[in-house]
Amino acid sequence: QVQLVQSGSELKKPGASVKVSCKASGYTFTSYAMNWVRQAPGQGLEWMGWINTNTGNPTYAQGFTGRFVFSLDTSVSTAYLQISSLKAEDTAVYYCARVGKPYSSILNWFDPWGQGTLVTVSS
Amino acid sequence: DIQMTQSPSSLSASVGDRVTITCRASQGISNSLAWYQQKPGKAPKLLLYAASRLESGVPSRFSGSGSGTDYTLTISSLQPEDFATYYCQQYYSTPHTFGQGTKLEIK
Repeated sequence: QVQLVQSGSELKKPGASVKVSCKASGYTFTSYAMNWVRQAPGQGLEWMGWINTNTGNPTYAQGFTGRFVFSLDTSVSTAYLQISSLKAEDTAVYYCARVGKPYSSILNWFDPWGQGTLVTVSS
Repeated sequence: DIQMTQSPSSLSASVGDRVTITCRASQGISNSLAWYQQKPGKAPKLLLYAASRLESGVPSRFSGSGSGTDYTLTISSLQPEDFATYYCQQYYSTPHTFGQGTKLEIK
């Protein structure tokens, strides 16, 4: 079945970096764009941006430029989110979420979602 | 950016009740609206897309309607497993934006 499996929880100190992985299975990885969504503790959902899995071109939402990097390894059907210079306010659950239709624009619903990766930033 | 305003932010209801959650966009979004259900500690799950199209496997007690800027999610007869937080999302334009969520609790 179609699924996205993310890497496990991370505890990092301020100033460190973290790399979250999202491994896709059950479909052709390069046919569907991938999004990243943040959910701070007790808060709602915030779209971080997306990556074109065919070209590898990332697009970042406002507020997620500079320290956030989306990347791919298509040989293992995996998308990555790297966050550098971590701050306490980066503490959140990070989700990868595929668009719902293949070969479509990013203007699409999200399905499925990964199970989420909790990143905790604390000294 | 398109702002999505959900109401109510929380709702208490009983098993068997009919409930409606509303989502209003700050501009017309041409039915480019999805609804998600999220349970504690879990990822959001797609319920409906294109405002009214039921995702495969989602019970038919869930339905969606609306047009222009105003959309609704209706659960016709609440079941115990429906108590969760619900989010709307517009995908008419980027940045994708979500409503702030409606927490549906047991009365």
